[in-house]
Amino acid sequence: DAKTTQPPSMDCAEGRAANLPCNHSTISGNEYVYWYRQIHSQGPQYIIHGLKNNETNEMASLIITEDRKSSTLILPHATLRDTAVYYCIVRAMTGNQFYFGTGTSLTVIP
Amino acid sequence: DTAVSQTPKYLVTQMGNDKSIKCEQNLGHDTMYWYKQDSKKFLKIMFSYNNKELIINETVPNRFSPKSPDKAHLNLHINSLELGDSAVYFCASSQGVLPSEKLFFGSGTQLSVL
Repeated sequence: DAKTTQPPSMDCAEGRAANLPCNHSTISGNEYVYWYRQIHSQGPQYIIHGLKNNETNEMASLIITEDRKSSTLILPHATLRDTAVYYCIVRAMTGNQFYFGTGTSLTVIP
Repeated sequence: DTAVSQTPKYLVTQMGNDKSIKCEQNLGHDTMYWYKQDSKKFLKIMFSYNNKELIINETVPNRFSPKSPDKAHLNLHINSLELGDSAVYFCASSQGVLPSEKLFFGSGTQLSVL
């Protein structure tokens, strides 16, 4: 399965866009990129996922580079409630694996 | 209604005891999972069931035995609890096993073994 690399921590000012990067240089052509977040000790919460095209929903936007080796999660207007650990995950086509890495701890600052 | 619910939320027990954690999903999903989150906050998959059949068993000690009585339930039974079993256990479900299908997680069960 493809591995992901994320910065361990980031800060973002409240109201500004939070851009969280993820490297997945060994991703295969049919593997999806997922983003989840975990607030404190709650269960991981789904944010967004994509294969090749950029995606947007009510929570965030996902930008995937043309070579698919990296992606960026964008929270357009970060609030204090967005403070959480954000996980970038590559989901394999076979084996039904869904591996979490170490994630990025995002702190939104007032 | 909670989509994926786990009970109990907290479980404190002595070493050597046997305990169970229950999980139920009301989403009509075919696939369910158990994840373990240790003190370093690393989330690791333990088991996955699809239509009541075990499809993933990630080198978990055989003291851990998942049981799926039907597609909506996946319970986790742990025998002879050890200190190292202390962790937060998350149940999850997905519609199926396709890579395009997202996982929905429960709120977790914090297990403390004394």
